[in-house]
Amino acid sequence: DAGVTQSPTHLIKTRGQHVTLRCSPISGHKSVSWYQQVLGQGPQFIFQYYEKEERGRGNFPDRFSARQFPNYSSELNVNALLLGDSALYLCASSSGQSTNEKLFFGSGTQLSVL
Amino acid sequence: AQKVTQAQTEISVVEKEDVTLDCVYETRDTTYYLFWYKQPPSGELVFLIRRNSFDEQNEISGRYSWNFQKSTSSFNFTITASQVVDSAVYFCALSLLDSNYQLIWGAGTKLIIKP
Repeated sequence: DAGVTQSPTHLIKTRGQHVTLRCSPISGHKSVSWYQQVLGQGPQFIFQYYEKEERGRGNFPDRFSARQFPNYSSELNVNALLLGDSALYLCASSSGQSTNEKLFFGSGTQLSVL
Repeated sequence: AQKVTQAQTEISVVEKEDVTLDCVYETRDTTYYLFWYKQPPSGELVFLIRRNSFDEQNEISGRYSWNFQKSTSSFNFTITASQVVDSAVYFCALSLLDSNYQLIWGAGTKLIIKP
C-alpha cells in the first residue's frame, strides 16, 4: 500500500506569490494534518482536517488555508509568500482525529521563497 | 504552558556505543500522550512509540528502549549497540486531550553514529 504522498517535492517561489501544496493520505485514513518545519526546529502544527472539516488550527496567519476533498486528499494554500515561509511542509495522515493517533508522514514539500 | 524540551542539540557516538536521548515535558494536564519520532535525511518522520500518562512501564523494542518517569516529567529514549542506520534527527512530542488536535514538538536531537 502507498504511504502518504506529497507533491511537489521541491518548489521555488518569489515573495508575494501564491503556492498550493498537495497531499494524499494513506488509503482508509480520513484525517490529514499539515505541519511546517523550519530547518533545525521541530514541526509546527498548521491545520488538521477530518472528514473534510477543519478540526484544528495552529498559530499561523490567515494567509495559510487548507481544504480536504471527498477522497480525503488535501491542499495547503499559502498566499502572499514571505521569505519566512521557506520551510519543509509536512503532511500527516491518521485513521482517526484524536490527538493520540499515530501519525504517518509524507516526505514533505521543500518550499524556498526568494 | 505546554512545552517539550530536548536539551541535546546534537550527539555523536561511535557505532556499537549505547546512547540516550533526553526529553523533558511540561504540562498541568493529567491525561496526555508522549511520542518519539525519527526523521532520517529523507525527511519523512517515522513513528517510534506512543505512551499515555497512565502507563509508566518502560518499554523495550529490540535495541530501542524508553524510560518514562512522571516524577521528573521525562521520557528518555535509549539506543543500545547503536548502528550507522540509527543516524537521524529524533523528536519527542506531547499531545493533550484538549490541544486543538495539535502535537507539541521538541526541537529534536541530531544523532550521528560514526562507523
